[in-house]
Amino acid sequence: QKEVEQNSGPLSVPEGAIASLNCTYSDRGSQSFFWYRQYSGKSPELIMSIYSNGDKEDGRFTAQLNKASQYVSLLIRDSQPSDSATYLCAVNKSNYQLIWGAGTKLIIKP
Amino acid sequence: DADVTQTPRNRITKTGKRIMLECSQTKGHDRMYWYRQDPGLGLRLIYYSFDVKDINKGEISDGYSVSRQAQAKFSLSLESAIPNQTALYFCATSDSLTTPYEQYFGPGTRLTVT
Repeated sequence: QKEVEQNSGPLSVPEGAIASLNCTYSDRGSQSFFWYRQYSGKSPELIMSIYSNGDKEDGRFTAQLNKASQYVSLLIRDSQPSDSATYLCAVNKSNYQLIWGAGTKLIIKP
Repeated sequence: DADVTQTPRNRITKTGKRIMLECSQTKGHDRMYWYRQDPGLGLRLIYYSFDVKDINKGEISDGYSVSRQAQAKFSLSLESAIPNQTALYFCATSDSLTTPYEQYFGPGTRLTVT
């Protein structure tokens, strides 16, 4: 079992709809969770961090964390073609390292 | 703007050559990381450094070495490049005093070993 798992996709969503991206992790001791967006050929960009159970909203993005079930999700409302990218989930490991999922490719169809 | 820069951005080299990738940052962060990214495998940690005197191996350090010349500079060397080191390489930084797990990335170096 991978330490951080994501569906590789591609996930295809119509423009204006809600995109839902999911991530599961194996280490129950993890406390910090991150979503990064990566455009093709570019570097990962931090878009959301979440540290407590529940929802955290930032503009069109909502991160959801459920530590009991060991999953974290990212919702993108009113999806735009510019949201088409690969979304990476990262979870903290001991000694301040991050463990990364392989990413979910999101395609927003106009 | 406070930033993370990497040089070169693209490099093609031959098997057996020594190559150095450089990373500089103006964010004032104390922690620096080197990752490689291969299609379908995600980001894998090569080395990380918490300060100039603290350097640690990541999960795939074989074939690589690093040097932390100053708080702002962290270099990655491939002593004798081989084709399976062809990948996209990223440098990242984080700040231990504020958000130690939030990492900020440079633009990357695309390395091809022929």
